[in-house]
Amino acid sequence: SAVISQKPSRDICQRGTSLTIQCQVDSQVTMMFWYRQQPGQSLTLIATANQGSEATYESGFVIDKFPISRPNLTFSTLTVSNMSPEDSSIYLCSIGLGGGAGANVLTFGAGSRLTVL
Amino acid sequence: EDQVTQSPEALRLQEGESSSLNCSYTVSGLRGLFWYRQDPGKGPEFLFTLYSAGEEKEKERLKATLTKKESFLHITAPKPEDSATYLCAVQAPTGFQKLVFGTGTRLLVSP
Repeated sequence: SAVISQKPSRDICQRGTSLTIQCQVDSQVTMMFWYRQQPGQSLTLIATANQGSEATYESGFVIDKFPISRPNLTFSTLTVSNMSPEDSSIYLCSIGLGGGAGANVLTFGAGSRLTVL
Repeated sequence: EDQVTQSPEALRLQEGESSSLNCSYTVSGLRGLFWYRQDPGKGPEFLFTLYSAGEEKEKERLKATLTKKESFLHITAPKPEDSATYLCAVQAPTGFQKLVFGTGTRLLVSP
């Protein structure tokens, strides 16, 4: 199975600043997914990052707040812009495993825990 | 709207005390139901996928079952290392690989 590395693993940020989270996969994948896990809440999909095209954002998430880059098939970044305390969360990168019946099984990175003061 | 509800929110068991976790879902056209385990400071780790009512899957002390409205994760004779948060998710009929997650059940198994 693929290995997903995320960094930073955690950070403490000041209100109004922006932070970029990196996600590196040890194999080439077509789609990468960014999820958010707020305290006491379920994992929520932010966007799908496709190589060579604009990311597709879910309802409630916008590109200005969460710009995503996908420069190649093994790497993606998520930026959390103009942060407020409500952005304190764990941000997770994920990919789909295999193809066919197994294509919808997601593997997750360890996550990046952001605390905004 | 697709919804996943997990119960209980938290469960404390003694080592060897079997129990079940519940995942109730509302989705039009279930394409798959997933169970994940999440340890503190780590991302979710895949356990099972169930695709149709009546299906069962087992892995060590864990057994997942599926009906048309809910799924159960049965834990037989748990050990302290089974302590984790268990997440349930359903695949929405639209949106390739998009999963809708429940809030999880925090399981603590005491020796």
